Amino acid sequence: DAKTTQPPSMDCAEGRAANLPCNHSTISGNEYVYWYRQIHSQGPQYIIHGLKNNETNEMASLIITEDRKSSTLILPHATLRDTAVYYCIVRGAYNQGGKLIFGQGTELSVKP
Amino acid sequence: EPEVTQTPSHQVTQMGQEVILRCVPISNHLYFYWYRQILGQKVEFLVSFYNNEISEKSEIFDDQFSVERPDGSNFTLKIRSTKLEDSAMYFCASSDLVGLAGGAETQYFGPGTRLLVL
Repeated sequence: DAKTTQPPSMDCAEGRAANLPCNHSTISGNEYVYWYRQIHSQGPQYIIHGLKNNETNEMASLIITEDRKSSTLILPHATLRDTAVYYCIVRGAYNQGGKLIFGQGTELSVKP
Repeated sequence: EPEVTQTPSHQVTQMGQEVILRCVPISNHLYFYWYRQILGQKVEFLVSFYNNEISEKSEIFDDQFSVERPDGSNFTLKIRSTKLEDSAMYFCASSDLVGLAGGAETQYFGPGTRLLVL
């Protein structure tokens, strides 16, 4: 599975969009980009995943560049409850049952 | 919405004692995992389990650790003789089968068990 690079920390004002970047320049064609977050020491929470196309769900949007070497997770209207560590993880489509490799992630602080 | 549950939420034990951490995965899921997170550190993979056997394990998962699916609903992690360095949050996760053609398999995590070894 390809390695990812994320900024260690970011701030965002409450009510504004939070844009969290992730670089995955060695991603291969069958690897998905997943985003999880961890609030305090709670269990990692699945947010969204994508392969090539942009994806949106009730929590967030995922924008993947055309060359797939980077992506951005967008929380459209960040709230204080979105303060968490956000992890970008790349994982092969054929790696069924395989481990998730967590990095240090981006610590997002949403401020009033 | 289905979720992974874990018990107990907190466990305090003496060094050298055995502990069993319990997890109830999402009911139709077939893959099960344990991860741990030492305070202030990254989430680390321990083991994955499918079809009643270990699929993959990390270097952390030594002979002191074992996993079991004793019935159709529970998935347990046993630490035979706990050490101080086993103090951590332990997370269980589960995922569904996506099929032979591959695809996006999503792992869902439980809330964790905080283990403190004294």
